[in-house]
Amino acid sequence: GNSVTQMEGPVTLSEEAFLTINCTYTATGYPSLFWYVQYPGEGLQLLLKATKADDKGSNKGFEATYRKETTSFHLEKGSVQVSDSAVYFCALSDRGSSASKIIFGSGTRLSIRP
Amino acid sequence: DSGVTQTPKHLITATGQRVTLRCSPRSGDLSVYWYQQSLDQGLQFLIQYYNGEERAKGNILERFSAQQFPDLHSELNLSSLELGDSALYFCASSVAGTSGGNEQFFGPGTRLTVL
Repeated sequence: GNSVTQMEGPVTLSEEAFLTINCTYTATGYPSLFWYVQYPGEGLQLLLKATKADDKGSNKGFEATYRKETTSFHLEKGSVQVSDSAVYFCALSDRGSSASKIIFGSGTRLSIRP
Repeated sequence: DSGVTQTPKHLITATGQRVTLRCSPRSGDLSVYWYQQSLDQGLQFLIQYYNGEERAKGNILERFSAQQFPDLHSELNLSSLELGDSALYFCASSVAGTSGGNEQFFGPGTRLTVL
């Protein structure tokens, strides 16, 4: 079945450091890929998405590229801020399915030190 | 603010009891999804409704049920509650019944504590 594996946390970085959170997936067909973010005490928000191979999703300085050859969708940011502290979820949605559930990875908790 | 509302925000109850969680989707969204987030199981899809009909089922227990009403709001009913049902329950909505990259918008969640 479809699944998402993402880098285990927690990840702690200093402000302005470079961030990478690894995500790989297993899926039949051609899934859409997402990164969701959950700030403390809040629900999930879509951070970025990519719907086909080689697409790059970007938002708020974060980027991720849909790599079909390596089945990956790693999240990157060049310079993190304290306000980026949150839990990040990689996810996929099977576009070929008649339903549209999203399968989430286990989440990576990111803490940024001032 | 995603436009998805959930009530109540917090719920504390005892084992064996029954509770109802409510969700109102974004205006114009026809699909509602329910997810459970717990420390040991992570974020799991429970069930999806589209325009009043059940569309997909995930890891939903038989003690749990849901429905979507004509005004498109949805309720998740949890019965014979056990300690392990303590979790955050999220509702999400989207325009369509299938994905194709369509975004799901999440509500703020209901935190259920079973004592």
